Amino acid sequence: AQKITQTQPGMFVQEKEAVTLDCTYDTSDQSYGLFWYKQPSSGEMIFLIYQGSYDEQNATEGRYSLNFQKARKSANLVISASQLGDSAMYFCAMREDGGNKLTFGTGTQLKVEL
Amino acid sequence: DVKVTQSSRYLVKRTGEKVFLECVQDMDHENMFWYRQDPGLGLRLIYFSYDVKMKEKGDIPEGYSVSREKKERFSLILESASTNQTSMYLCASSPATSLKTQYFGPGTRLLVL
Repeated sequence: AQKITQTQPGMFVQEKEAVTLDCTYDTSDQSYGLFWYKQPSSGEMIFLIYQGSYDEQNATEGRYSLNFQKARKSANLVISASQLGDSAMYFCAMREDGGNKLTFGTGTQLKVEL
Repeated sequence: DVKVTQSSRYLVKRTGEKVFLECVQDMDHENMFWYRQDPGLGLRLIYFSYDVKMKEKGDIPEGYSVSREKKERFSLILESASTNQTSMYLCASSPATSLKTQYFGPGTRLLVL
């Protein structure tokens, strides 16, 4: 069974609008970490935001916020005030308790339009 | 800033060739990783290393080997390249003391003809 599911292969959003990229995960661990990465067309993976399973508050980093709903096992990324430079592939990933390994979803291609 | 570099951005090799992909990080990180990325499949872990000369298999180690003789350098080896190893290869590193993220290199796009 997939551990990280990103059901949106592609998304479009208009500049200056907010967009939510979905991510659900599956784990039996109590302690885990959730990550979002951005991959522009240049190929480099850029770390955006991290949420620990015991963190009480949703993580935020500038225009990025993580909508963490533990009971639903979802960790959606919200990008506010989209910019043209946000056009990229976005990956959700999970690290399970005690491990060094990240498990990635299949990604969502975001296109920001004028 | 953490810097992870990979020896080539683009590489073209022939079937059966031995291929070396090199990765170097400059932040004294204990952990280093090799992933391959394919459309529709996301990133999949090939191997990782948590110390010099230490390695563990990831999800798809078949057809690959690795070498870590120095802390800063982690090499991925394709002993006999095949066309199904055409892919994007990404190296990453992270400190042992913090599991909050991995730092990635720019990637190597490998084409095996």
